[in-house]
Amino acid sequence: AQTVTQSQPEMSVQEAETVTLSCTYDTSESDYYLFWYKQPPSRQMILVIRQEAYKQQNATENRFSVNFQKAAKSFSLKISDSQLGDAAMYFCAYRSWVTGNQFYFGTGTSLTVIP
Amino acid sequence: DVKVTQSSRYLVKRTGEKVFLECVQDMDHENMFWYRQDPGLGLRLIYFSYDVKMKEKGDIPEGYSVSREKKERFSLILESASTNQTSMYLCASSLTGDGANVLTFGAGSRLTVL
Repeated sequence: AQTVTQSQPEMSVQEAETVTLSCTYDTSESDYYLFWYKQPPSRQMILVIRQEAYKQQNATENRFSVNFQKAAKSFSLKISDSQLGDAAMYFCAYRSWVTGNQFYFGTGTSLTVIP
Repeated sequence: DVKVTQSSRYLVKRTGEKVFLECVQDMDHENMFWYRQDPGLGLRLIYFSYDVKMKEKGDIPEGYSVSREKKERFSLILESASTNQTSMYLCASSLTGDGANVLTFGAGSRLTVL
């Protein structure tokens, strides 16, 4: 089974600053999808951003962007101009291209935004 | 937008009770999932279903069963609840098994077993 590792259990960032959350994964597959999900306190988990492994270009969604390093099996999330509403638990996830029913999640990074 | 609705946000049950957690999605998704979320452990897959009456075990199926009699509804059953099943349970769905399809989550059900 694939494994996803988030080595930062907790992170903090000043409001308006930039923060990067780390994620590494282990796979022998060449085609797959990577995701970042956000879970605000006591609220629903929502998708932040998605990256297809066959695409070299890093995905971006407004203030959120990724640094996808396929050879290094690294998939970090950068949040620019951090806002109070960005405070949440962030989960990195992997999904196979071939057997897509199974998502593999990291253990999460709790992000605090300091006013 | 797809909605995934979990019937109970908070439940308190006694050891040995049978517990039903219900999940309904409204966008004709083929795949539905039940995850368990614990601090420091992330999300762990209990069961998933790729069609009506079809199910597959995930990583931690012991002590759980599931039922999918209709496409929109996926139930998680704890036959005899135990204290180590105290946790947050998340239901999710995706359109198909194509890896491109994202997961849409429900709000979660926090179960406490006394």
